[in-house]
Amino acid sequence: GAVVSQHPSWVICKSGTSVKIECRSLDFQATTMFWYRQFPKQSLMLMATSNEGSKATYEQGVEKDKFLINHASLTLSTLTVTSAHPEDSSFYICSAVDRLNQPQHFGDGTRLSIL
Amino acid sequence: GDSVTQMEGPVTLSEEAFLTINCTYTATGYPSLFWYVQYPGEGLQLLLKATKADDKGSNKGFEATYRKETTSFHLEKGSVQVSDSAVYFCALSGKNTGNQFYFGTGTSLTVIP
Repeated sequence: GAVVSQHPSWVICKSGTSVKIECRSLDFQATTMFWYRQFPKQSLMLMATSNEGSKATYEQGVEKDKFLINHASLTLSTLTVTSAHPEDSSFYICSAVDRLNQPQHFGDGTRLSIL
Repeated sequence: GDSVTQMEGPVTLSEEAFLTINCTYTATGYPSLFWYVQYPGEGLQLLLKATKADDKGSNKGFEATYRKETTSFHLEKGSVQVSDSAVYFCALSGKNTGNQFYFGTGTSLTVIP
């Protein structure tokens, strides 16, 4: 069964809305979680690395004030897309690793559509 | 830096045909290599992996061998099925990458009856 749960799986909302996506590790403690973005027919682009109890590390070009990441516990990380606009529409995927760092488990993704 | 180069698609095969999707990598150190599969509208699922040179990962009839001398990790399957239609991603990760994954661009496979 799934070891990483991502919620919601699909969200449609109006421009200007803030959207929160949750990523939970179900049966292990995730010391590190990764957030990826995937455009249609393209590969995954790492947005940020989230370590429990510390600030996320963002990849170059990713606005940290736009994509707020919180990793408050060893089983939960959240990505909030603030004041979302149509260009933020994408498929967002999280992944998590445990203390042993292998393997990396992926969530099923969240399809975000901003109207 | 570390990177993965993957055969571009899309690839269309008839059922029971032989599949090869090429993947080569550039890395410092000795990363682990992975193949992930993504079915339409879903997240990524680990298909197989290899953690050191000459290791062969296998699952569901798919195989890939970690070739250090050619820095390759080609995915193969002897007889594809319609249900294998998906996008396949080659990836690497390791201590030198801070356990961050580097993905190839993905190869879309369509198997027709």
